[in-house]
This record gives sequence, C-alpha cells and structure tokens, in this order.
Amino acid sequence: GAGVSQSPRYKVAKRGQDVALRCDPISGHVSLFWYQQALGQGPEFLTYFQNEAQLDKSGLPSDRFFAERPEGSVSTLKIQRTQQEDSAVYLCASSPPTRAGANVLTFGAGSRLTVL
Amino acid sequence: LAKTTQPISMDSYEGQEVNITCSHNNIATNDYITWYQQFPSQGPRFIIQGYKTKVTNEVASLFIPADRKSSTLSLPRVSLSDTAVYYCLVGDMDMNYGGSQGNLIFGKGTKLSVKP
Repeated sequence: GAGVSQSPRYKVAKRGQDVALRCDPISGHVSLFWYQQALGQGPEFLTYFQNEAQLDKSGLPSDRFFAERPEGSVSTLKIQRTQQEDSAVYLCASSPPTRAGANVLTFGAGSRLTVL
Repeated sequence: LAKTTQPISMDSYEGQEVNITCSHNNIATNDYITWYQQFPSQGPRFIIQGYKTKVTNEVASLFIPADRKSSTLSLPRVSLSDTAVYYCLVGDMDMNYGGSQGNLIFGKGTKLSVKP
C-alpha cells in the first residue's frame, strides 16, 4: 500500500480484556517497528522485526505484551489482561530494504487504546 | 545507545527562520542523525537525515559540526502549519538493517509553536 495502515484507530477496552492491534506496513518494507506513545511523551520503542524474525523485543513492558509477524508482512501487537497504564497510542512503522533507508521510518497514524 | 537532548519548547513567528539544536555527546562512529516531525493525532514523519557537514532538502537543512556532538535543524520561513513536535534521533543504520537491535530512540522532542 501507499502508507502504513493501522487498525483499529481507536479501541476502548475494559481492564482485564485482551486487545489486538494490527499493522499493515508498506509493501516491500522488511523492517517493522512498534512504539508506544503516552500523552505528551515521545514514542517509546517496543519491538522490531526483520521480515518475520523478531530481532529485538527489549522494549516490551511486560509479558502481557506480545507481537508477531508470521509471514513477514502484517504484524499484530497483542496486549493481554489490559491495565489502565496500557492506555496510549501504539504506533507502527516500517522502513525500506536499503541501508540508507534503514532509519527512515514511515509511521502509521497509530491505534489509540483507552483502558477503563 | 546515544542519548539526545533538545529544548522542550520554542516559540517563533511566521516567516522567521527557526533553528532547533540537539546535543548528542556520545554519538558513535556509525550513528546517523535523523529528525522527525509530529503533528497531533499523527505518527512522526521523517524530515531529514545526515552524517556530517550539511544536508538540505525541500523542507529543511541539517547542520552537523565536525565533532558531531550536536546538530541543528533549520526550518526556513516557518508558517503556522510548522507548529509541531520535532524529534532528534541518532542511530546506527546497520542495527535497523538486518541488525540485532531496533535502536531509534525518541526523546521528548521540541514543541515548536509558530504564531501569526
């Protein structure tokens, strides 16, 4: 596609519910990143994929957070047993398969999660 | 990972040139400097990237001194639509290009307010 597509744009969950956030990166982009952005803060790195391989998950805040990209394209970020502190915008980004473009991330509009 | 320091906020008027300086004292030899812009309710957008000296594109210029311990984003003749948060990042492109670490770390950014 022309850009990075994320769904849903808005999600309201009751505390304890599981949620799944989807990211459809730009076609041909092998690197995919997830970030979490709290209100008034900069994006915080969560995890990074190269094709289907999750090479870095050091930013995932707890074992309730899980990300996958089984076929190397679409990725899903799953949050189990949501807590109020999980309320944030979840941003997905992808970058082109070139060294020069590796740090040129194209971001989606984000999925805003509100946990009640 | 190299940390960055930027002013929290800046004010300007339409038509002025705005310079935002970022400090990155422990930048590594392989690190590139990348700037992003973020509007409310949108994901960050790539502006410009450089390694040393000066880089210019249709949107901005990036000045990097010889020691690379800082960089300055220059926005010529800003307009109201340039009101946004600007992030300075440093990162090793090889880490994000098949490397083992997704290492583009966003700080809190600089909130630029352009007034009429």
